[in-house]
Amino acid sequence: KNQVEQSPQSLIILEGKNCTLQCNYTVSPFSNLRWYKQDTGRGPVSLTIMTFSENTKSNGRYTATLDADTKQSSLHITASQLSDSASYICVVSASSYKLIFGSGTRLLVRP
Amino acid sequence: NAGVTQTPKFQVLKTGQSMTLQCAQDMNHNSMYWYRQDPGMGLRLIYYSASEGTTDKGEVPNGYNVSRLNKREFSLRLESAAPSQTSVYFCASSLNRDRPAPQYFGPGTRLLVL
Repeated sequence: KNQVEQSPQSLIILEGKNCTLQCNYTVSPFSNLRWYKQDTGRGPVSLTIMTFSENTKSNGRYTATLDADTKQSSLHITASQLSDSASYICVVSASSYKLIFGSGTRLLVRP
Repeated sequence: NAGVTQTPKFQVLKTGQSMTLQCAQDMNHNSMYWYRQDPGMGLRLIYYSASEGTTDKGEVPNGYNVSRLNKREFSLRLESAAPSQTSVYFCASSLNRDRPAPQYFGPGTRLLVL
């Protein structure tokens, strides 16, 4: 069964600190892996997309890594800001049109 | 550009009532999608339209119908609403070519079925 598991479910950090979110998947075939940010009450917004051949990609203070052999990905947030408080969703694509979404990690950044 | 817009933002229905959720995008994207998001679960694909004139079932299509009215608009219809369809519905669009493309999401429609 195609699944995307994320950990932790929730995380609280202090402003300015770094954090890393984890994603494990069992999706076949594998096309690409995406990270989305979803603010409360809003739609998800794309952060990164990585294909099989890419093992790291950055978007500002967000850096995603992919290990296609172990089927693991991580999202590292550097120097967190209050505006980083959101849910972060790992998504694995089996094809151009069918995405498997994780249930997300809820991050709270406190002053 | 407004991106992806959805109407209505909120809706309360009684069991058995019908309604249509509207979605439009102004990014000239060829593909459009409807998802539902339930607490503690990832977004699940209801239907998608790879290009104008085509629609296909996703993971959870039962109880829903869709219409790709033109390249800009993709509507989702609930013919006879059930409490299990209480959810947040998101429309998304993407420009699918040779390489993977991000999906752009609308703000969502919050639906409560009593």
